[in-house]
Amino acid sequence: SQKIEQNSEALNIQEGKTATLTCNYTNYSPAYLQWYRQDPGRGPVFLLLIRENEKEKRKERLKVTFDTTLKQSLFHITASQPADSATYLCALPSQRGSTLGRLYFGRGTQLTVWP
Amino acid sequence: GAVVSQHPSRVICKSGTSVKIECRSLDFQATTMFWYRQFPKQSLMLMATSNEGSKATYEQGVEKDKFLINHASLTLSTLTVTSAHPEDSSFYICSASPSPGGNEQFFGPGTRLTVL
Repeated sequence: SQKIEQNSEALNIQEGKTATLTCNYTNYSPAYLQWYRQDPGRGPVFLLLIRENEKEKRKERLKVTFDTTLKQSLFHITASQPADSATYLCALPSQRGSTLGRLYFGRGTQLTVWP
Repeated sequence: GAVVSQHPSRVICKSGTSVKIECRSLDFQATTMFWYRQFPKQSLMLMATSNEGSKATYEQGVEKDKFLINHASLTLSTLTVTSAHPEDSSFYICSASPSPGGNEQFFGPGTRLTVL
């Protein structure tokens, strides 16, 4: 089965800086990887999906990279704001080539952006 | 668009009773829905895949007789925790995808279950 590690449990940065979160996996390389945001007591909210043949994907202040050689995805938030404070989760399909939607999640990194 | 709701948002029950949690896709049809459980400071753990009109597929280690899943329509799936015990206390979250492949999932707001 897939083991997913997110670099740290918590990350604190100052407003305006770029937050960089890491997601590493240990087994098969997935066909895609997703990032979600989760606020306390709420369900995850989908942010970005990046496919194995894509090196980078952007959405407004968000950028995701996917390095299948390193088995790693980086998630960047530029010009961070206090409103970006949340837990960020990476998720991978349950098996190589899976299109069935079964996802495995990392434990998440709790990001705090202070003014 | 792509809104998923859950009901109830919080439930407290006595040990030994059963609790039903509903998951609805409000503005799209979902052939497949997923049920997750999340303990404090832990990741979401996939419990089962709910397929409309057929039996759910459970992940290894999840008791299908304890966690009953029914997916009677394309917009509704229910999870019933039978004979609940305090260790079943958790945050239960469902998700649904508008596409059969389920690459993009939309999550419900979750249901906090507390078993006394």
